[in-house]
Order: sequence, then structure tokens, then C-alpha cells
Amino acid sequence: EVQLVQSGAEVKKPGESLKISCKGSGYRFTNFWIGWVRQMPGKGLEWMGIIYPGDSDTRYSPSFQGQVTISADKSISTAYLQWSSLKASDTAIYYCARCGGDCYEVDYWGQGTLVTVSS
Amino acid sequence: QSALTQPASVSGSPGQSITISCTGTSSDVGGYNYVSWYQQHPGKAPKVMIYDVSNRPSGVSNRFSGSKSGNTASLTISGLQAEDEADYYCSSYTSSSTHVVFGGGTKLTVL
Repeated sequence: EVQLVQSGAEVKKPGESLKISCKGSGYRFTNFWIGWVRQMPGKGLEWMGIIYPGDSDTRYSPSFQGQVTISADKSISTAYLQWSSLKASDTAIYYCARCGGDCYEVDYWGQGTLVTVSS
Repeated sequence: QSALTQPASVSGSPGQSITISCTGTSSDVGGYNYVSWYQQHPGKAPKVMIYDVSNRPSGVSNRFSGSKSGNTASLTISGLQAEDEADYYCSSYTSSSTHVVFGGGTKLTVL
């Protein structure tokens, strides 16, 4: 059974750093793209970027380029999303998602990680 | 890239059918048969309801169906049930480097 299990909720202060994780199981982790999706409170889904764990090819949507870093450690089947300096506007639920094929569409979702940034 | 365009809300009575549209361009919806639909209940992760325009994953009710014409894809839910009340999002493969673009979402209310 394919599963994406994300790390738990985080509460941080503005300016702090953060790295959240997404562990894949039940499939060959290196053979599928992983994407990250932001959902701000009461808002829709936003595609942030993708990574191919097999060779760490990483692409960012224009709105998120330079704002976050996506990485992966294929030895432990885990993808990451990190911030170097959080802002209050980063408060959101972040989902990881597996893409089928050449990342044509999402076929599995993680359960989501709530990130709250508040002073 | 811009999000795909969906109506903000639709509504229907139990037993009725509703259709949610998802409009893109020839660089996404119109150019590829990789349109998906996701259902999201409050506080839950999205769930895949339709993939490849019109295919249903195992376990999804056959009351859900998808189609596409030109640059517009559609999700139809027949025999509406109270449990169908949720937010629905479309996505499409796109020629951009990040491969996927979402619609803005549609809130379905079952009256």
C-alpha cells in the first residue's frame, strides 16, 4: 500500500527556520516525483514545486522560487520542505503528494502538516 | 502559471446532478488528457476522485464522472448525497517545468 506520512504540526515564531518531512512507503521512492502543496487558511490548493528523488531534479513554481527549499534523501525515502526565515504569511497546511508518470497528476496525498507562524 | 478557472460554488438538492467546470488553455487542459479531480472535506487531505480526464480510482462511486471538451474539463456528480458536500479541485498537466496546475476550487453545497 502506497503511503505518504508527514511530520507533525509545528508552531514557530517569525524569523525561525523549519524543515518538515514526508516519508514514502509501499513503492519505489526514487521512481516517482514528489510535489509540495500549500493550503492557506480557508483558501485553495497551490502547487509549490516538485522533486524527483532518483536524481534530485527540483523545480519550483514562480511564486515559491527563493522562498522555500525542496530536497529529498532517497536513502530513507523522505522528501523535505524547508524555510530559512519564516513569516506569518507562511501559516498554512502543507501537503506532500506523489505524481504518477512524468508528474502528470497526483495519485497519492500525505495527510498534511499544519505550520503556524506567530509571534 | 495561472490557476485553472472553476466556479466558486455550486449547489444541488439530494438526488439531483451537478456539473463543475474547469477551464484552462491549450497549454494545460486542452493539450493533454491528464486532468484530475479531487474532493476535500473540511480538515481532511484531498482525495482523488477522477484521473486521466474520466477514470475513477478503485473505490470511488460511479456517481462521479469526468469529461473534457477543448480547454474545459467537467466533473459531474449524479444522485447527489449529503456526503458529497465538500470542496472540489481540478488539476491538469501543464507544459510548465513544474508539470501541474490546480484550479481555484469549487464549494459544493447539498441543499
